[in-house]
Amino acid sequence: RKEVEQDPGPFNVPEGATVAFNCTYSNSASQSFFWYRQDCRKEPKLLMSVYSSGNEDGRFTAQLNRASQYISLLIRDSKLSDSATYLCVVNMGNFNKFYFGSGTKLNVKP
Amino acid sequence: ETGVTQSPTHLIKTRGQQVTLRCSSQSGHNTVSWYQQALGQGPQFIFQYYREEENGRGNFPPRFSGLQFPNYSSELNVNALELDDSALYLCASSTSGGSYEQYFGPGTRLTVT
Repeated sequence: RKEVEQDPGPFNVPEGATVAFNCTYSNSASQSFFWYRQDCRKEPKLLMSVYSSGNEDGRFTAQLNRASQYISLLIRDSKLSDSATYLCVVNMGNFNKFYFGSGTKLNVKP
Repeated sequence: ETGVTQSPTHLIKTRGQQVTLRCSSQSGHNTVSWYQQALGQGPQFIFQYYREEENGRGNFPPRFSGLQFPNYSSELNVNALELDDSALYLCASSTSGGSYEQYFGPGTRLTVT
């Protein structure tokens, strides 16, 4: 079983739609969680950290469910520019190893 | 821009050769992590360097090695290149402690023929 698993998609949504991605992790001792965005053939860029209480940044909301070992990312009012691959990242409890999911591809269409 | 730089941008090597990739961390960051990203996959953690020592390693063989220098820049060395080593190699810098947020450089695309 992979340490971090994501639905690869693609998710094809119209502009203005709300879309949600989930990510599950295997190690219950995991400490830190992040969402990154990666455009085609570019480096990953930090989108947001995920806190236990949940956090919001504009149209983006991240949630953490430790009991079920998953994190989620909600994007409201999707823009064409949101089209990218979204990577879930988990730090496996010892702060020295970071595990990425394979990414979920989002296509926002006019 | 993150301030993390990598060189070279692209590289073509032959199977069996050795390669060195370089990374300069963002100002104020003392920790560098290296990742391998194959096409269509998420980045795979290779190792992390902190205070010039390896500080965590993923499931990569010993022919993947690294260095960190006093200015926190880092090198990734790969010996005895294999075709499967063809990938995008990313470095990420961060600070020790705190949030552990990592910031990536643009990567080096390595092709092994």
